[in-house]
Amino acid sequence: NAGVTQTPKFQVLKTGQSMTLQCAQDMNHNSMYWYRQDPGMGLRLIYYSASEGTTDKGEVPNGYNVSRLNKREFSLRLESAAPSQTSVYFCASIIREGRYNEQFFGPGTRLTVL
Amino acid sequence: GESVGLHLPTLSVQEGDNSIINCAYSNSASDYFIWYKQESGKGPQFIIDIRSNMDKRQGQRVTVLLNKTVKHLSLQIAATQPGDSAVYFCAENFGNEKLTFGTGTRLTIIP
Repeated sequence: NAGVTQTPKFQVLKTGQSMTLQCAQDMNHNSMYWYRQDPGMGLRLIYYSASEGTTDKGEVPNGYNVSRLNKREFSLRLESAAPSQTSVYFCASIIREGRYNEQFFGPGTRLTVL
Repeated sequence: GESVGLHLPTLSVQEGDNSIINCAYSNSASDYFIWYKQESGKGPQFIIDIRSNMDKRQGQRVTVLLNKTVKHLSLQIAATQPGDSAVYFCAENFGNEKLTFGTGTRLTIIP
């Protein structure tokens, strides 16, 4: 049971380049999330997927697209990277069982856009 | 608009003492709150949660207190250890799938 995994761990892009951040969970969770974390700030929600086949915008969706490929995988794509997208990106999945809720986070992808 | 914030950005505590980390929220409709711990270079890790119909919840060495009257949330860590050094975030939920995070408090344990 690996929990939530993310690839790559580090990435440097030039302005205008594109890339996809991969996320997978092996806990059979329905809901998955993408957050970004900037220095001195909390996590901000980019997109989330409440179930396979559905996606919704979060607080800061501009410049990003997502794909919920199947129940396990939720990818985040930057079509044309900008320096403002330099950040640490975290994927998370959630379990809700009655009164019990918990989010599991991946280790993060540190992205630098030059 | 709604916001979740922290009173202090940094907190230094002597090893063995108790730590109290505070959080203020502004949305009275929030019904669920979570505390996370984030160590350097890692993702946030769930510590403890509490629902709005509760005032207190205890875990192993941690206690979360919720004061709905003043919209205040606190995390108490008993007998703090060097491994407790991290950034602690509170987050609130309004009954949907989204969480709103505070900016975090950095807890430093003094040997």
